[in-house]
Amino acid sequence: GAGVSQSPRYKVTKRGQDVALRCDPISGHVSLYWYRQALGQGPEFLTYFNYEAQQDKSGLPNDRFSAERPEGSISTLTIQRTEQRDSAMYRCASSSGQSYNSPLHFGNGTRLTVT
Amino acid sequence: AQSVTQLDSQVPVFEEAPVELRCNYSSSVSVYLFWYVQYPNQGLQLLLKYLSGSTLVKGINGFEAEFNKSQTSFHLRKPSVHISDTAEYFCAVTTTGNQFYFGTGTSLTVIP
Repeated sequence: GAGVSQSPRYKVTKRGQDVALRCDPISGHVSLYWYRQALGQGPEFLTYFNYEAQQDKSGLPNDRFSAERPEGSISTLTIQRTEQRDSAMYRCASSSGQSYNSPLHFGNGTRLTVT
Repeated sequence: AQSVTQLDSQVPVFEEAPVELRCNYSSSVSVYLFWYVQYPNQGLQLLLKYLSGSTLVKGINGFEAEFNKSQTSFHLRKPSVHISDTAEYFCAVTTTGNQFYFGTGTSLTVIP
């Protein structure tokens, strides 16, 4: 596609519910990243994939958070038993390579609000 | 571990005036440095990057940044700003190219 697409754009959920956030990267991009951005803060690394392999998940806050990219393209970030502190903008980015020489292309994000 | 500090959370500047947005980093190993811009309701876009070589790097929209290893800084500059430069600017650092560490951002407001 023309850019990184994320859906839904906005998600409001009640505490305790599970949510799934979707990211459709730029076609052909090898690497896919998930970031979380709280209000007034910079993006915080969550996890990243190289093709379908999850290479680093050290940024996931706890075991309620998980991500997958089963076919090396679309990725889903799942948050189970949501809590109010999970409210944030969740951003996905993709890049054509896995090195520092491949810039990140960010989507517009999913704003999650947990009530 | 790496970290990035952007001391100025908000920078107001008059149109056509010069601007400098400050970024300092900490790392015990060699780093690669980036500036990203975020316009309202949009994703982040790469402005410029320093990988190696010349310490002065030029990016899009007339922005440039200078890598200063001794001061561990990577300040962003533009000699004359436009209204359209109003946005949030993020400095980022990586050592591996896989984990990027972002600063808290600087909100640039250009006043007509």
